[in-house]
Amino acid sequence: DVKVTQSSRYLVKRTGEKVFLECVQDMDHENMFWYRQDPGLGLRLIYFSYDVKMKEKGDIPEGYSVSREKKERFSLILESASTNQTSMYLCASSSPGTGGTYEQYFGPGTRLTVT
Amino acid sequence: AQSVTQLGSHVSVSEGALVLLRCNYSSSVPPYLFWYVQYPNQGLQLLLKYTSAATLVKGINGFEAEFKKSETSFHLTKPSAHMSDAAEYFCAVSSGGISGGYNKLIFGAGTRLAVHP
Repeated sequence: DVKVTQSSRYLVKRTGEKVFLECVQDMDHENMFWYRQDPGLGLRLIYFSYDVKMKEKGDIPEGYSVSREKKERFSLILESASTNQTSMYLCASSSPGTGGTYEQYFGPGTRLTVT
Repeated sequence: AQSVTQLGSHVSVSEGALVLLRCNYSSSVPPYLFWYVQYPNQGLQLLLKYTSAATLVKGINGFEAEFKKSETSFHLTKPSAHMSDAAEYFCAVSSGGISGGYNKLIFGAGTRLAVHP
């Protein structure tokens, strides 16, 4: 089974702090994604990566950056956390599946609160 | 551009009743479609996917979905709800882009299913 792990389930940070969210997958997937999930808005893509050191902006990249130094690890960085970044953050990975469908496998999520 | 609309942010059914969660999509190319489930305080888990092989797709936990191109729909159903089905359900469509070997998913806003005795 594919396993995607995230470094923390719950995190509380203060406004202005630099925050690192780590994600690791164990299935040698090429693609990795970071989403934020807010009630009524579904999942919104922040950044994704299709190869080591490669990254592309998603729909809401402002205030975030990412790092992918190794294939299995994808980090999300909040350079200066703000209260409007309080959210659930989900990491996912994918690789060509049956018919090239690229279904995504998700980690358990990190619920971040910025005070 | 692809998009997904889930009708009804909250659905409530009795245990043993039919579950119907609605999803309509918009896509300029033949889509791949997915249903995911999220239990409280967990990540998303794939329920089923449509890959153009068959219009009626069976998934885990007794769920199935039917792709109807003429209606641009991919509704999720289960004949008999169980208490353990209470969760949030997300419909998603693939962006179809394969440049660089990736494929982004566009998610609907989600439908929270409540099952009462």
